Amino acid sequence: KAGVTQTPRYLIKTRGQQVTLSCSPISGHRSVSWYQQTPGQGLQFLFEYFSETQRNKGNFPGRFSGRQFSNSRSEMNVSTLELGDSALYLCVSSLDGKPGDLYGYTFGSGTRLTVV
Amino acid sequence: QKEVEQNSGPLSVPEGAIASLNCTYSDRGSQSFFWYRQYSGKSPELIMFIYSNGDKEDGRFTAQLNKASQYVSLLIRDSQPSDSATYLCAVIRSGGSYIPTFGRGTSLIVHP
Repeated sequence: KAGVTQTPRYLIKTRGQQVTLSCSPISGHRSVSWYQQTPGQGLQFLFEYFSETQRNKGNFPGRFSGRQFSNSRSEMNVSTLELGDSALYLCVSSLDGKPGDLYGYTFGSGTRLTVV
Repeated sequence: QKEVEQNSGPLSVPEGAIASLNCTYSDRGSQSFFWYRQYSGKSPELIMFIYSNGDKEDGRFTAQLNKASQYVSLLIRDSQPSDSATYLCAVIRSGGSYIPTFGRGTSLIVHP
């Protein structure tokens, strides 16, 4: 079966710009979570969407936002980009948001964002 | 104190040896524990999960959980060069949210 698809794979943006990243979950999965991964901070949770509603939110500023569509595809947006936003952004697809093999908690390949 | 702590490494072991990766967590009420492997340039993939005190074995991998001491470890027996990767520990804390908190990972290098 198809995996978790994230687009684009790589992105270079300038400070102050905004960016939109996309994630298509595994068919049948209704939960999409987003993480930011950097060498310094590791994997940090951004937010989780379930059935088009934001169900959980991490400790990131309001510049980071997201949404989920009726087909479960999700987008995250970062406005007014800062150099520190350079990171690997990973989305996770799962049946209901819970980790563990039973729930199919699967990471996408990620989008590598570089802010210059 | 970080919620989930791991030694960043690198941990270097010879091929065929046992690699021991450790993780400590601060929330005594944590419920569920996961080990992910992440190859360079790739996304994390689940290796093991453990919920109860004791050992859980799956092939060459053994997860060990000690809730009293608040640590979870991953043993890799007969380590292979293909095991060289970063290993991430993830913990679901108490309090209702199922969102896992990840450690920063330990880099493992298995040399021939």
